[in-house]
Amino acid sequence: DTGVSQDPRHKITKRGQNVTFRCDPISEHNRLYWYRQTLGQGPEFLTYFQNEAQLEKSRLLSDRFSAERPKGSFSTLEIQRTEQGDSAMYLCASSQGQGIRSSYEQYFGPGTRLTVT
Amino acid sequence: GIQVEQSPPDLILQEGANSTLRCNFSDSVNNLQWFHQNPWGQLINLFYIPSGTKQNGRLSATTVATERYSLLYISSSQTTDSGVYFCAVELEVAGNQFYFGTGTSLTVIP
Repeated sequence: DTGVSQDPRHKITKRGQNVTFRCDPISEHNRLYWYRQTLGQGPEFLTYFQNEAQLEKSRLLSDRFSAERPKGSFSTLEIQRTEQGDSAMYLCASSQGQGIRSSYEQYFGPGTRLTVT
Repeated sequence: GIQVEQSPPDLILQEGANSTLRCNFSDSVNNLQWFHQNPWGQLINLFYIPSGTKQNGRLSATTVATERYSLLYISSSQTTDSGVYFCAVELEVAGNQFYFGTGTSLTVIP
């Protein structure tokens, strides 16, 4: 198993453009999480999926953000009409979950660093 | 509101010294993990420890869930231990959202 992978690793875009990031979780994990991390801060939860269902979304996830996990495997995070404030590291993690209660250990991908100019 | 606080925020150690990092959280915890973030941003799993004590080489961790804190011990520190240490908690009151603390930035000097 190669762990959690993310693509691209770096993205530079101009304000107003749309961007899409991909996350491939560990194959046997049914939960997938997206986080955003800005400089000097800890990661902030954005959303998570159990299989293909998006179960929770943070208030940080504005209408310009959308995430999908169509077949319960890989996930995409799209940001429309990017703003300079969207510049951050976007992290993906996966874990095995059980019912609606707690998750087991999360494993993180290397992240996608977004710079909006 | 939900709070996850880490202390100290910054720590500078001489190589070979020991240290204790603390994570306080505001509610009952389902899940707690400690991570080390390397200079390239990768979060490396250290411990999955919602309760009890675990050890892995020079590192050990203890979570006292009833008192809402966790400790990470680093013994005989090495320069490669430098980086930011985060605790992340999944709280019973917050569904399945994980909350990260603000981290402890550790610098180990030779």
